[in-house]
Amino acid sequence: KQEVTQIPAALSVPEGENLVLNCSFTDSAIYNLQWFRQDPGKGLTSLLLIQSSQREQTSGRLNASLDKSSGRSTLYIAASQPGDSATYLCAVWDGATNKLIFGTGTLLAVQP
Amino acid sequence: EPEVTQTPSHQVTQMGQEVILRCVPISNHLYFYWYRQILGQKVEFLVSFYNNEISEKSEIFDDQFSVERPDGSNFTLKIRSTKLEDSAMYFCASSPNGSGEKLFFGSGTQLSVL
Repeated sequence: KQEVTQIPAALSVPEGENLVLNCSFTDSAIYNLQWFRQDPGKGLTSLLLIQSSQREQTSGRLNASLDKSSGRSTLYIAASQPGDSATYLCAVWDGATNKLIFGTGTLLAVQP
Repeated sequence: EPEVTQTPSHQVTQMGQEVILRCVPISNHLYFYWYRQILGQKVEFLVSFYNNEISEKSEIFDDQFSVERPDGSNFTLKIRSTKLEDSAMYFCASSPNGSGEKLFFGSGTQLSVL
């Protein structure tokens, strides 16, 4: 059964710092991996999608990498800003069950 | 960018009542989904829907739940007799062609069962 885990569960950094969020999954048979942002009590905003054949995707200050064979993805945020404070979720499209399976999330706080 | 729209944003109901959560997926998408997130827990899959029928459902999606696409634009989730544990944020999502495609999520309906 596919399990998606995110480390750390919570992270607090000063403004301007570069940071890395980690995501791991137990079954490498995935179609893609998506990173989402969730503000408190709000919906899910898609940040980046990496297809299983890709190694990384970039959007602005965000860079996501995927190492499918080792079951890992990282989300790199450059020059963090207080507005980046949110929960970041990774999700894999699981090939075995044909579902998008979410991780536990990382709660990020960027201190001004 | 096109959006998935969900209504209402908040719904409060009494235990045992029926609720219908509504969603308008992106117009040219063919696959539709419901997910839910209980406070403090993971976002979890409920059901997927394609070609006017359920294609996958989770063990959570029991006989109390049903989905429908009553017309060409709406996609609804009905809970027949709500329980306290149904309190959660419910997300609708759609994708153009299913597996391996990007999912577009709505902003959610916060359901509170009292």
